[in-house]
Amino acid sequence: QVQLVESGGALVKPGGSLRLSCAVSGFTFSGYYMSWIRQAPGKGLEWVSYIGSSVTIIHYADSVTGRFTISRDNAKNSLYLQMNSLRAEDTAVYYCARGLFGGNSGPFGYWGQGALVTVSS
Amino acid sequence: EVVVTQSPATLSVSPGEGATLSCRASQNVNSYLAWFQQTPGQAPRLLIYGASTRATGIPARFSGSGSGTEFTLTISSLQSEDFAVYYCQQYNNWPLTFGGGTKVEVK
Repeated sequence: QVQLVESGGALVKPGGSLRLSCAVSGFTFSGYYMSWIRQAPGKGLEWVSYIGSSVTIIHYADSVTGRFTISRDNAKNSLYLQMNSLRAEDTAVYYCARGLFGGNSGPFGYWGQGALVTVSS
Repeated sequence: EVVVTQSPATLSVSPGEGATLSCRASQNVNSYLAWFQQTPGQAPRLLIYGASTRATGIPARFSGSGSGTEFTLTISSLQSEDFAVYYCQQYNNWPLTFGGGTKVEVK
């Protein structure tokens, strides 16, 4: 079955960097878009970044543009989020999610269990 | 940016009763609107996509309606496992945006 497993969450100081990973299984990774969505403690959901199935399409939320970089390695069935210049307001559980359908559009159909990133001195 | 507004923020309902949740988009998103359910400590789960299509395995007591800017999620008879937070999300425009959520609690 479809599985998404995030890793790399940690406590990091403001201004620091962190890379999250999302290992997937149970489907043909290269055929689906992927996204990162975050949820600050006690708050709602915020979409962070998107990468299309073919890597040529990438989008970011304004709040992370210039600081975060999304990437994928289809050979390793893995999605990544490189986070630089981290701020306290980036503290959140970060979920990776897969499109419900193949290709580059559609709703988030499958979610991982999340990785906690805490930015604090 | 499409602002997505959900109402009410909290809905108190007795088990077995129905519930109606609203979602409004600041611009036309056609039918590119999804609903998610989130229980404490869990990842969100897709309930409805395309404004009205139930995702695989979602019980028939969940139904979605609407198009354009006004959308509704209806739960016909609340079961214990339905008390949760519900989010709507538009996927018609970049950036993708979520509503602030509606918490459905036991009355």
